[in-house]
Amino acid sequence: QKEVEQDPGPLSVPEGAIVSLNCTYSNSAFQYFMWYRQYSRKGPELLMYTYSSGNKEDGRFTAQVDKSSKYISLFIRDSQPSDSATYLCAMSPYGNKLVFGAGTILRVKS
Amino acid sequence: NAGVTQTPKFQVLKTGQSMTLQCAQDMNHNSMYWYRQDPGMGLRLIYYSASEGTTDKGEVPNGYNVSRLNKREFSLRLESAAPSQTSVYFCASSARTGNNNEQFFGPGTRLTVL
Repeated sequence: QKEVEQDPGPLSVPEGAIVSLNCTYSNSAFQYFMWYRQYSRKGPELLMYTYSSGNKEDGRFTAQVDKSSKYISLFIRDSQPSDSATYLCAMSPYGNKLVFGAGTILRVKS
Repeated sequence: NAGVTQTPKFQVLKTGQSMTLQCAQDMNHNSMYWYRQDPGMGLRLIYYSASEGTTDKGEVPNGYNVSRLNKREFSLRLESAAPSQTSVYFCASSARTGNNNEQFFGPGTRLTVL
């Protein structure tokens, strides 16, 4: 079993929809949780960063961490075609060596 | 400020050939990483260097070697390429200060081993 599980999709939604992306994990030592966005044929770029449990909001993006359930989520409000990308969750116990999920392909249709 | 640069962008090798992937960062970061990305597998850490002069194995180190040439440069070497090493390779770097350890990624090297 992988340490981090993420549904690969693809997830296809209409423009303006609320998108929910999720990851589950098995290592209770994880404290640092990140979401990376990767456009086709590009390197990943950091989208959201959360330490320990709770919510964090940045514009249209909200990251949630539920350590008791070992579950993290990324919500995208008012999704746009420019949000079409692969979204990778990543986590670490110490903030350095990251363990990545497989990535979810998101397609936002105009 | 170029960030993280990687060369080459594309490479085709025959089984048994060797090659070195180059990575450089201009952000004065302490830590550098090499990942491979395969369909359905996400990013898997091959090797990392926490600071200049140190290197450590990651999740999938077999068949690879690394050199932290100086603070800026971190190279990945395939001594005898195998088809299983066909992948997209990403280099990353991070400042590794405090709790925020954002990793910045390069554009990747697409490697095919025939």
